Amino acid sequence: TQLLEQSPQFLSIQEGENLTVYCNSSSVFSSLQWYRQEPGEGPVLLVTVVTGGEVKKLKRLTFQFGDARKDSSLHITAAQPGDTGLYLCAGPGPNTGFQKLVFGTGTRLLVSP
Amino acid sequence: DAGVIQSPRHEVTEMGQEVTLRCKPISGHDYLFWYRQTMMRGLELLIYFNNNVPIDDSGMPEDRFSAKMPNASFSTLKIQPSEPRDSAVYFCASSLGRSGGGRRANEQFFGPGTRLTVL
Repeated sequence: TQLLEQSPQFLSIQEGENLTVYCNSSSVFSSLQWYRQEPGEGPVLLVTVVTGGEVKKLKRLTFQFGDARKDSSLHITAAQPGDTGLYLCAGPGPNTGFQKLVFGTGTRLLVSP
Repeated sequence: DAGVIQSPRHEVTEMGQEVTLRCKPISGHDYLFWYRQTMMRGLELLIYFNNNVPIDDSGMPEDRFSAKMPNASFSTLKIQPSEPRDSAVYFCASSLGRSGGGRRANEQFFGPGTRLTVL
């Protein structure tokens, strides 16, 4: 059983569409991070959310941490081909220490022109 | 800053051969992580170090895998003997650590990865 479940697993959309991906857990996380991994590269950190209910914006990307700190969402407005990649959420696992991150199952996004 | 550096970027070898992957973390980072990524299993943590000391190797698949960090700027992951099921992309990542990072202390910076193919 994965500690962090992401949905959907795959998403293929047209340029200009909006989308939301989800990261869910039955456990409480002290913080959650979102990474984007482009083909042939390593994951790159996008944002860290710490406070329950926190909303962070990064240009067309909006990240939200659930009030109970068990889930998070990423909303992309007017998606562009450059948004294509694998989106991963991650957080310090319960009882594993602050540095050891648990990574989610990932959402693979394809944005076509 | 050059970021995390990994070598080689691609490795093709035959079953039974020894494979050594190399990593140079970001200078000043206290933590170094080795991950393996496959389509089936996603991103898996193999081992991580703090100040060159292995902290948790519970993700290392079996005795064929070993990792070392002889100094703060270099780490290796060795597979001996290699098997076809070891084919994957191996990532190295580093993080600052609590001493200097605050809430950003566990944000990880990944290298470009080594794509390993074992025939």
